[in-house]
Amino acid sequence: GEDVEQSLFLSVREGDSSVINCTYTDSSSTYLYWYKQEPGAGLQLLTYIFSNMDMKQDQRLTVLLNKKDKHLSLRIADTQTGDSAIYFCAESRVSGTYKYIFGTGTRLKVLA
Amino acid sequence: DVKVTQSSRYLVKRTGEKVFLECVQDMDHENMFWYRQDPGLGLRLIYFSYDVKMKEKGDIPEGYSVSREKKERFSLILESASTNQTSMYLCASSETDRVNEQFFGPGTRLTVL
Repeated sequence: GEDVEQSLFLSVREGDSSVINCTYTDSSSTYLYWYKQEPGAGLQLLTYIFSNMDMKQDQRLTVLLNKKDKHLSLRIADTQTGDSAIYFCAESRVSGTYKYIFGTGTRLKVLA
Repeated sequence: DVKVTQSSRYLVKRTGEKVFLECVQDMDHENMFWYRQDPGLGLRLIYFSYDVKMKEKGDIPEGYSVSREKKERFSLILESASTNQTSMYLCASSETDRVNEQFFGPGTRLTVL
């Protein structure tokens, strides 16, 4: 199938690390993305990783890619209340259509 | 600053009405997309367009049509709205480049009564 799967909810305490997981299905995906959706807003790109990379770090964000298991994760260090949002992973297929396949989204709640 | 705007934030329509959702981008992007977002289902692609007057079906095109007469504008049309089309509708645009980042509008929450 073409599903990109995520757990629906995650709750963490302020200052802790958050890890949001995603499994995808297409081993030929070129780019994998993490988007953030704040309440009442559209999605905004947080970070992305090219499929020939294993890891990418960008300030508090760390993306890990396990191609063998088709598993992508986003780690947010020192999670803040402003990180409360829905996080979507997405894959872009090699077919050249520039389409995304989005995951179901993980709602992150940060407790003060 | 890149911008994708949608004509309405909230819309309430009755079953059987024809509904137009408008999306405008100011970034001269070739690609534009319409998604619907439902809890637990993520974003599902309805239609997309690579160029003016060009359209392709996404994963759930039934009950929808689109129009792209100008590069900056992509319209989603519900010919005869039904209650199962109550949803959040998101428009996005992207440039044809290596990273293929999509830029999203704020969304239109449509309720069909």
